[in-house]
Amino acid sequence: AQKVTQAQTEISVVEKEDVTLDCVYETRDTTYYLFWYKQPPSGELVFLIRRNSFDEQNEISGRYSWNFQKSTSSFNFTITASQVVDSAVYFCALSEYSNYQLIWGAGTKLIIKP
Amino acid sequence: DVKVTQSSRYLVKRTGEKVFLECVQDMDHENMFWYRQDPGLGLRLIYFSYDVKMKEKGDIPEGYSVSREKKERFSLILESASTNQTSMYLCASKPRQGRFNSPLHFGNGTRLTVT
Repeated sequence: AQKVTQAQTEISVVEKEDVTLDCVYETRDTTYYLFWYKQPPSGELVFLIRRNSFDEQNEISGRYSWNFQKSTSSFNFTITASQVVDSAVYFCALSEYSNYQLIWGAGTKLIIKP
Repeated sequence: DVKVTQSSRYLVKRTGEKVFLECVQDMDHENMFWYRQDPGLGLRLIYFSYDVKMKEKGDIPEGYSVSREKKERFSLILESASTNQTSMYLCASKPRQGRFNSPLHFGNGTRLTVT
């Protein structure tokens, strides 16, 4: 089975709170990539990060961090000290070496209230 | 700056009309994609093209066709629009090398309403 699950449909927090978006995936491939994209209200999906299956190091970029754990098949995304500009829909996606197509999660809508 | 441009941001069409959605990229990318986005369903692939005049069906090709006559342009065609094709349509591209691990570059989307 090929699947990406983002169980949180919508999350609402107050500005400056930390928030974690969950992504759980299923694959039989040993070689794969995981991606996170952000879709602000303007509509254009913006690439945030890519991780390959052989690199389990966590990644930090400013207020954003990603936790990749193969043992739990998860690739979670945390925003520290959230800001209103972080409000968007966030998508997690899986690219398998054996499959040309990206497999997308359903997305998590993040609302940051001032 | 690299760019994927979709010709219309909003479009309203009547049932039965033939609808053309245009997408142009300036990155010399071989691969181009058309997705449909609906709430709760994420992105679903309609068609993709890996070269000029080449096309492959995605997950939901029914009711759609595509055209890729030039490398930079990928058109999505609704032969006879229906109300269940009301949706957000997203075009994307990426280079041939790194087809597996390159991120997609997206346009702003076309919100199509069929009445």
